[in-house]
Amino acid sequence: EADIYQTPRYLVIGTGKKITLECSQTMGHDKMYWYQQDPGMELHLIHYSYGVNSTEKGDLSSESTVSRIRTEHFPLTLESARPSHTSQYLCASSDVLGAGTEAFFGQGTRLTVV
Amino acid sequence: KQEVTQIPAALSVPEGENLVLNCSFTDSAIYNLQWFRQDPGKGLTSLLLIQSSQREQTSGRLNASLDKSSGRSTLYIAASQPGDSATYLCAVYEGAQKLVFGQGTRLTINP
Repeated sequence: EADIYQTPRYLVIGTGKKITLECSQTMGHDKMYWYQQDPGMELHLIHYSYGVNSTEKGDLSSESTVSRIRTEHFPLTLESARPSHTSQYLCASSDVLGAGTEAFFGQGTRLTVV
Repeated sequence: KQEVTQIPAALSVPEGENLVLNCSFTDSAIYNLQWFRQDPGKGLTSLLLIQSSQREQTSGRLNASLDKSSGRSTLYIAASQPGDSATYLCAVYEGAQKLVFGQGTRLTINP
């Protein structure tokens, strides 16, 4: 059973608002990831982290920012939400690279910006 | 740049059939390959992880194979059930430990 949690599950917010999507895992994983997925489309990596104080941008350009102050927590922030940010955001974590590395995903946050 | 392709994009079969989902990747220098299931509007559930040194993995009615040299993996589902209806995604780990996903196969099992 994967222990990675995302809150909120659903969020409808007005244009221009600042939002933070929360992601927490209790597995002690060093690696954490944020993916963006539009309905019926593939997942795109937007941010990842190798550990505390490490953050990197992913393959898909995003206006969001992330932080990694604690191993278990990897929040994603949008300073000024726009309708183009409407999407599903999925958080994942995995152990250090090596044989048996397996990624676990949260249930996602479906964001709608109106 | 690693690219992952899944064929077919959608598949509809009657309950009880055995079926195969295909995944191909362009760069054989992968670490591991992982198969996931995604239900509509939900997150991803890990089904099987195949390490780069392995040829196959089994879990219940699911069997996944990996042929690194040809850049292919298959997910075999035996005796399909309506509850198997979902989108199935394969993903490969490349260099910097990033997961690269295919577009998925949307599977419908008809009762």
